[in-house]
Amino acid sequence: AQSVTQLGSHVSVSEGALVLLRCNYSSSVPPYLFWYVQYPNQGLQLLLKYTTGATLVKGINGFEAEFKKSETSFHLTKPSAHMSDAAEYFCAVTGGYTGNQFYFGTGTSLTVIP
Amino acid sequence: SQTIHQWPATLVQPVGSPLSLECTVEGTSNPNLYWYRQAAGRGLQLLFYSVGIGQISSEVPQNLSASRPQDRQFILSSKKLLLSDSGFYLCACTDFGKGSPLHFGNGTRLTVT
Repeated sequence: AQSVTQLGSHVSVSEGALVLLRCNYSSSVPPYLFWYVQYPNQGLQLLLKYTTGATLVKGINGFEAEFKKSETSFHLTKPSAHMSDAAEYFCAVTGGYTGNQFYFGTGTSLTVIP
Repeated sequence: SQTIHQWPATLVQPVGSPLSLECTVEGTSNPNLYWYRQAAGRGLQLLFYSVGIGQISSEVPQNLSASRPQDRQFILSSKKLLLSDSGFYLCACTDFGKGSPLHFGNGTRLTVT
């Protein structure tokens, strides 16, 4: 079975501060991990993904995430928050061949304070 | 890369009326297709997914149904809408292959009155 836990449904940071959004997963198979961003009334946009290889993954808009197998974590970070980063962020996991389900966390709403 | 078209963008329907939401995909063939629902301020709920024409898996018992009449067309339907069917409906697709991500359409905001 696979599941995702996102700690903190709401996170607030000041503009220019570090962004850290937490994601922990459980998976009985080697996981494929994803972070998505959703702006109001829009679909989800892929930020970055981990499949195999380098555990530090860089994505769009300056975000990156590190896969830590020992901690079953895939936290999303950005060194300096921008006002345009305010959005909902979702972590997701799938495993094995596509056709399996994607399991999403409940999301974290990021507020950036000017 | 894939492009997902969903329409309409917004829809207001009375309780008891039928529903048909359509999703079409470009830029890929034989994709896996998904319908998700997102209630206000909530996460994503998987409703249906399909690995091929006519093959539909339902994840949540409800008064909704899905069909896939063509390879890149996925339709979400209801014969009689309930108030609880209100939400944001998202169509998504993924290619075959390990680690292929989901790609989402822009969604349909459904309000049942």
